[in-house]
Amino acid sequence: NAGVTQTPKFRILKIGQSMTLQCTQDMNHNYMYWYRQDPGMGLKLIYYSVGAGITDKGEVPNGYNVSRSTTEDFPLRLELAAPSQTSVYFCASSYSMGSGGGGWEETQYFGPGTRLLVL
Amino acid sequence: QQQVKQSPQSLIVQKGGISIINCAYENTAFDYFPWYQQFPGKGPALLIAIRPDVSEKKEGRFTISFNKSAKQFSLHIMDSQPGDSATYFCAASMETSGSRLTFGEGTQLTVNP
Repeated sequence: NAGVTQTPKFRILKIGQSMTLQCTQDMNHNYMYWYRQDPGMGLKLIYYSVGAGITDKGEVPNGYNVSRSTTEDFPLRLELAAPSQTSVYFCASSYSMGSGGGGWEETQYFGPGTRLLVL
Repeated sequence: QQQVKQSPQSLIVQKGGISIINCAYENTAFDYFPWYQQFPGKGPALLIAIRPDVSEKKEGRFTISFNKSAKQFSLHIMDSQPGDSATYFCAASMETSGSRLTFGEGTQLTVNP
């Protein structure tokens, strides 16, 4: 299994340009997520999906859009790129499982990231 | 509103020492507390996790201590090694939130040889 793959690895955009960050997982996970990581700020959730055709906003969705037409793919679209969108973007997928005592546990599997620079 | 606060931002430890990273949360509905480890240029990976019905979980050199009344949890790395040098994130989630994780700000750990 390749796990979670992301393309491109690195991209420079000019202000106002648009682009799509690709994310694919081969683990048949229902849940998928997009995060951005800025220095000293942790990971912030942009959008997430609980299954094909279902998406919802996270903590910082402004300036981004997503779609989920298949279980495997969850692309992130940037329209009208701005310098504030300079960041490292991570895609993740997950499954939930019972922890044996009636509770639940979850592991999110992250891709290698896309570094985006908006100038 | 930052719901999970992590400290310190950076930590330098000598080889063989104990590394301790602390997190505090606000939302009492959180019921799952994982720690993720991230090496430079890589995505985070799950290291160890705990649920609030236990006060401690140990996996090898890594231990989570959990204090439900204080709404705090911490990661202890015993016998720290240079290979442990990475950024560590605590996180929290609740089953009713659709598995969304709220992350702390991260701690950059450096273990000197």
